Amino acid sequence: LAKTTQPISMDSYEGQEVNITCSHNNIATNDYITWYQQFPSQGPRFIIQGYKTKVTNEVASLFIPADRKSSTLSLPRVSLSDTAVYYCLVGGGRGNAGNMLTFGGGTRLMVKP
Amino acid sequence: NAGVTQTPKFQVLKTGQSMTLQCAQDMNHNSMYWYRQDPGMGLRLIYYSASEGTTDKGEVPNGYNVSRLNKREFSLRLESAAPSQTSVYFCASSERGANYGYTFGSGTRLTVV
Repeated sequence: LAKTTQPISMDSYEGQEVNITCSHNNIATNDYITWYQQFPSQGPRFIIQGYKTKVTNEVASLFIPADRKSSTLSLPRVSLSDTAVYYCLVGGGRGNAGNMLTFGGGTRLMVKP
Repeated sequence: NAGVTQTPKFQVLKTGQSMTLQCAQDMNHNSMYWYRQDPGMGLRLIYYSASEGTTDKGEVPNGYNVSRLNKREFSLRLESAAPSQTSVYFCASSERGANYGYTFGSGTRLTVV
């Protein structure tokens, strides 16, 4: 399973754009990159998933360079309610092994007023 | 839509007692998972079921057993609870595996004294 490295914590202010970068040097050809958000006392919530280049949805954008060894989650104009832990996961390739994903420690984002 | 429902939400056990954590999903998902999350840590996979009738060990299976009762339900059993199993347990489901994103339940907070 591909190991991921992301910053332990980040601080930001309301209205700013936040970029969280995740390193995954040994990503496999079939692996997808998925980001989850977790609030205290809740289960993680799916934010966005991508394979290459750029993916955008109503919540965030995901930028993946051509070598796919890293990815960046971009949250536009954060608010206090975006304070949470963000997890970068790599995996999900086809086959049984793809059904396992490993959550690292995540990045604790604190948004200040 | 209920999504993924976990019961109970809270439980206190004495060392050596047994109990079963219940999980049910109403999204017709094929894959289901059990994770544990210790304070300040990421999630670790205990067991998963890629499809009805199959189960496989995850990262930390020791001390646990699972049953995929039918497509909807996936239970986690602690035969002889130990203080080291004090944790928050999350159940998740996915349509066909990690590529399709996980939906998590709200968790069961278990304390073993």
